Amino acid sequence: EVQLVQSGAEVKKPGESLKISCKGSGYSFSDYWIGWVRQMPGKGLEWMGIIYPATSDIRYSPSFQGHVTISADKSITTAYLQWNSLKASDTAMYFCARGLTTTIMGGDYWGQGTLVTVSS
Amino acid sequence: DIQMTQSPSSLSASVGDRVTITCRASQSITTYLNWYQQKPGKAPNLLIFAASSLESGVPSRFSGSGSGTDFTLTISSLQPEDFATYYCQQSYSIPITFGQGTRLEIK
Repeated sequence: EVQLVQSGAEVKKPGESLKISCKGSGYSFSDYWIGWVRQMPGKGLEWMGIIYPATSDIRYSPSFQGHVTISADKSITTAYLQWNSLKASDTAMYFCARGLTTTIMGGDYWGQGTLVTVSS
Repeated sequence: DIQMTQSPSSLSASVGDRVTITCRASQSITTYLNWYQQKPGKAPNLLIFAASSLESGVPSRFSGSGSGTDFTLTISSLQPEDFATYYCQQSYSIPITFGQGTRLEIK
């Protein structure tokens, strides 16, 4: 069974750093792009970027480039989303999903989401 | 960036109704169009990929059509579990973009 399991909810202060994770299982992790999506409270879905774990090829949305870092460790089948300096506006639910790249497939498996709250 | 515009933004309907949601792309995306359903507090769920292909396990009352810039998602006979928010998403070019969502509510 394909699963993406994300790390738990986080509460941080502005300026702090954070790294959240997404662990894949039940499929060949290296062979599928993993994407990250932001959903701010009461709002829609925003694509942040993707990574191909086999090569660590990464593509970012211009809206998020420079503010987040996407990475992966294929040896432990885990992808990451990282901030060096959080802002209150980073408060959101973050989802990882398999796919979400330029193919006909779509995001066919999703993590359960990680809620990030940034507040002083 | 390719802009995706859904209509309507919200919709009230009854169990058993036939419902259609539309999605328009700002340029041609051929059939690189996917539809998702999202319920409160849950991750999105892929319903339709490549504009008209039904994802495995999705009920056949869901269908998609269109190509180029104009697409539709149709639910042939609404069931209670279908009340949710629906998003279209283009996978033609990076950055991947989503429509703003259509909230389907019980009348």
